Amino acid sequence: GQSLEQPSEVTAVEGAIVQINCTYQTSGFYGLSWYQQHDGGAPTFLSYNALDGLEETGRFSSFLSRSDSYGYLLLQELQMKDSASYFCAVRDSSGYNKLIFGAGTRLAVHP
Amino acid sequence: GAGVSQSPSNKVTEKGKDVELRCDPISGHTALYWYRQRLGQGLEFLIYFQGNSAPDKSGLPSDRFSAERTGESVSTLTIQRTQQEDSAVYLCASSPRDLGGEQYFGPGTRLTVT
Repeated sequence: GQSLEQPSEVTAVEGAIVQINCTYQTSGFYGLSWYQQHDGGAPTFLSYNALDGLEETGRFSSFLSRSDSYGYLLLQELQMKDSASYFCAVRDSSGYNKLIFGAGTRLAVHP
Repeated sequence: GAGVSQSPSNKVTEKGKDVELRCDPISGHTALYWYRQRLGQGLEFLIYFQGNSAPDKSGLPSDRFSAERTGESVSTLTIQRTQQEDSAVYLCASSPRDLGGEQYFGPGTRLTVT
């Protein structure tokens, strides 16, 4: 079967750094995506890793280790507007473009 | 250009009625996906269309659910004989063929079955 595990909640203060981990078990694997979703809003694409290593996009970075079936999203210089739910999603070989989503991590950023 | 649009934004229906949800993908995106999201939960894959290929229907929860797409344009998701457990936000997304990890979501349709 397919499963993704990520923490349900994370709390941090403004200006801090937070890491949201994601471990996955899938029958095949093409890549790992991260999405952000504010309450009442649509998911927004953040990053996609197909190869091992770190991808940086502004304050957000995403890491993948295929051998460990593990990835993380790193958010730096946290701002209040980063309070949202963050989902990891696996693009697996059961469907070339199909994504299987984790249950999401709710990030609360406090002053 | 315009993003993914969905209609209606909200739908309240009585148990047992049929509902039809519509999705307009981003122009030029060959792939289109439907997801369901229950309150406080992750996204549940329902169905995926890629160009003129046969759709991947592996996520449809029952035969009450069906979806159609004509070419690379509009898609409709139909739920027949709605049940209370069908209450959720139904999200549509599209992507260019080779960027399946990067999907663009519409605002969703919030379905409430009373």
